[in-house]
Amino acid sequence: EAEVAQSPRYKITEKSQAVAFWCDPISGHATLYWYRQILGQGPELLVQFQDESVVDDSQLPKDRFSAERLKGVDSTLKIQPAELGDSAMYLCASSRLGGAAQYFGPGTRLTVL
Amino acid sequence: GIQVEQSPPDLILQEGANSTLRCNFSDSVNNLQWFHQNPWGQLINLFYIPSGTKQNGRLSATTVATERYSLLYISSSQTTDSGVYFCAVGKGGSEKLVFGKGTKLTVNP
Repeated sequence: EAEVAQSPRYKITEKSQAVAFWCDPISGHATLYWYRQILGQGPELLVQFQDESVVDDSQLPKDRFSAERLKGVDSTLKIQPAELGDSAMYLCASSRLGGAAQYFGPGTRLTVL
Repeated sequence: GIQVEQSPPDLILQEGANSTLRCNFSDSVNNLQWFHQNPWGQLINLFYIPSGTKQNGRLSATTVATERYSLLYISSSQTTDSGVYFCAVGKGGSEKLVFGKGTKLTVNP
């Protein structure tokens, strides 16, 4: 069964450093999502791509976060500089189209010291 | 935006018991999904159910879209069912999914 791949699974960094997360969606899925989940809460959407275009990045802190999906396949989410409050689980999901069932990867657990 | 409320927030069961989890939402939706988050943090897709009823083994779900709620039934619970169950809704198309705060289920042997 096809799965969403993410790396790394865990990342520990110091504040003010740069970090990057990678996601490879299920083959054929045009829509890719990055979510952030703080402990004890549900995931919140950071950015949504349709192919290589950003559909929704209204909740992305653009002063420090950036996301790209250059060829409309895999995607990278970057944080620079990292802050203590960025400690969270970062989840990637994909779906065939926007509004269809979403499938999640294993996530990257980020700890900022 | 859409509000999603899940109940109960916490549920403790003995192995073999049945349970019902509820999800209420504040607006009409075209997308509703139930997820199970395992202890390692991965969200497992249980059901895509914007309306109607579906069953998968010991799990079933019903969404009554006109009354803005969905129910997830777990029968003959097992310890491996433990974790957090999330309901997420969206208005479809390019609209994002909004997650509830989840129901934390603990199944004791």
